[in-house]
Amino acid sequence: GAVVSQHPSWVICKSGTSVKIECRSLDFQATTMFWYRQFPKQSLMLMATSNEGSKATYEQGVEKDKFLINHASLTLSTLTVTSAHPEDSSFYICSARASGRDSYEQYFGPGTRLTVT
Amino acid sequence: RKEVEQDPGPFNVPEGATVAFNCTYSNSASQSFFWYRQDCRKEPKLLMSVYSSGNEDGRFTAQLNRASQYISLLIRDSKLSDSATYLCVVNSGSARQLTFGSGTQLTVLP
Repeated sequence: GAVVSQHPSWVICKSGTSVKIECRSLDFQATTMFWYRQFPKQSLMLMATSNEGSKATYEQGVEKDKFLINHASLTLSTLTVTSAHPEDSSFYICSARASGRDSYEQYFGPGTRLTVT
Repeated sequence: RKEVEQDPGPFNVPEGATVAFNCTYSNSASQSFFWYRQDCRKEPKLLMSVYSSGNEDGRFTAQLNRASQYISLLIRDSKLSDSATYLCVVNSGSARQLTFGSGTQLTVLP
C-alpha cells in the first residue's frame, strides 16, 4: 500500500513552454501533498504544500505564478511549470501524506526529470 | 545556518565495514526524525524513523540526542547494496513538513 505515482517520469521541453506534472496517490487518500525540487548533488528542497480544495502554500523564493499547483481531488495534485527556462531543469518529486493519520510519514512519488532546452 | 546539516562525504568503505553518519538540526522544536535513503536518480525511500531511545533495524542503528540536537546512523557489516545517499530528515513547521539534509554519499567497495 501507500503508492504514489508521477507522470511523466521524464520530459524534455523547449524554453518558453509549459509542462504539467501529475502526482497521484494510488491506494490512499491524501489531503496534503508536497512538491519538492532537487538539483544535481543537492538535497530535496520543498517548493510548496498542496492541500485538497484550497490554495497551495509556497516556500519562500518559489514563484506561485510560475509553479501552478492544483489539488482538486484527494488523490491528485498537479504542478505546472509555466514558461519554463533552462534553469528550471531539475528533478521534481511529489509526496503525499495519508488523510486522517496523525504522523509525519510521507510517501514519495518516483519523480519527474525535467529538461528545458 | 542550514536547518539540517550533514557531512556530504563521500564515504568509501570496504564490504563488511562499519560506517557512521552524523547529522545536526537547528530547530529545537522539531519532533520527528528520519533517515531516508536515495539511490541515484530515484526518489528517497524511508530507511527508519529515529526515536529518543535509539532504535535498531537489522544492521542499521539510529540514535537521537535531543540535548545536542544530533542524530546518527550506524551501518554494520556494509553490503554493496548499501551504496546510496543517506538523507537526514527532520520535521518542521505546523504543517508537518519535512526538511532534508543535503545527504551523505556512501559507496561500499568490493
